[in-house]
This record gives sequence, C-alpha cells and structure tokens, in this order.
Amino acid sequence: QQQVKQSPQSLIVQKGGISIINCAYENTAFDYFPWYQQFPGKGPALLIAIRPDVSEKKEGRFTISFNKSAKQFSLHIMDSQPGDSATYFCAASPNAGGTSYGKLTFGQGTILTVHP
Amino acid sequence: DSGVTQTPKHLITATGQRVTLRCSPRSGDLSVYWYQQSLDQGLQFLIHYYNGEERAKGNILERFSAQQFPDLHSELNLSSLELGDSALYFCASSVGPITDTQYFGPGTRLTVL
Repeated sequence: QQQVKQSPQSLIVQKGGISIINCAYENTAFDYFPWYQQFPGKGPALLIAIRPDVSEKKEGRFTISFNKSAKQFSLHIMDSQPGDSATYFCAASPNAGGTSYGKLTFGQGTILTVHP
Repeated sequence: DSGVTQTPKHLITATGQRVTLRCSPRSGDLSVYWYQQSLDQGLQFLIHYYNGEERAKGNILERFSAQQFPDLHSELNLSSLELGDSALYFCASSVGPITDTQYFGPGTRLTVL
C-alpha cells in the first residue's frame, strides 16, 4: 500500500518535444505529491508539487496532472531541453496527523534524455 | 545549492566497521530526514527528526541509528557495516514537522569493501 509505481524507467525525447512521466499509488492517505529532479552527483531537488484538491498545476514548462479517482499523477515537461536531462522521481506522503507524515515514498525514477 | 550540508562527501570503509554521517539543515529548518538511495531499492526513507525528537521511522535497520542535536544538526550512525549498505545517503530538511517541502543535501556516498 505504500508503493508508488513510476513509468517509464527511461525516456528519450527530442529537443522541443513533450516528456511525460507517470506515477500511480495505492495508499489513499497520500495527499501530497511532489516531483523531484536529480542530476548526477547531486541530491534530489523539488521541481513541482500538487495536492489532491486540484487536478492540474503548472509552473513554467512543468505541469502536474492529477487524477484522484484513478490514483495517478503525471509530470509533463513541455518544450523539453537538453538541460532537462536528469532523473525524475515522483513521490507521495500521507496527510498530517499520521505518524508517517513527512515520510516521502518515492517512485523508482525515470532517466530522461533530451537529444539536441 | 539547497542550503543543506552533508559530510563527508565520500566514505570508503570495510565490512564490520562503524561510520557516522553528518547533516546540517538549512537555517531555520527544524526537521531533518534521512534517506538511502541504492540502485536496487531506489530512494528509501529512513527516519525523521523534528527539533531533537524522533517523529517517524521507515525501513531503517537496527544496525543504524540517528539523532538530532540541540543545534539541530543530525548524525546517522551505521554499524556492523555490510556490503549491501553501500549506497548514497541523503539528508533533507524542512521548516516544521508538518511542512511539505523537503530540501535535500548533496549526499554522502558510502562504499563498503
């Protein structure tokens, strides 16, 4: 119930294209869904996050789409650039009040390569 | 730069040994989280401390322990090390116990030979 399943494992996109990464979860107590970007040799950095009260959130070229009934959420990177080449992780954490609050459960990661 | 610092950057040690990893959270952050990243297990939550108190525990082995000190820095102690403990260990921090945004440090790469 604590798993977050992420796909695809790797993704190759041409510059200017759209990158789409999908995640699915089972635990209905999850109510915070961040995406992290990690470059080689660096720690994960928060990219964008969403709560279940909205179905979409956009920040620049990055958009999260959230489907609460399907328990799925996805990251869309518009106009993908070679500098976006990194590993992307979706994550989820349960709502406040529980003993696991703050515990991020991560997906397995997607290695994105954007070709120039 | 997230503002979270971790030392050392790299650590190479032998099986059976004990090591200590150190983390200093961002200025003003009271929460510290520890995560382990390995190729087979991905990023796994280990433990969360808030203002010196343990708040949540994840898949942390009994050979591992952590604490957060009055100055808010945290240490992760790994003992009786095994080959399988080789991984990247990340510390993250956030403002409070119920704050969503966690800022990750650069990590400590542990190699157990």
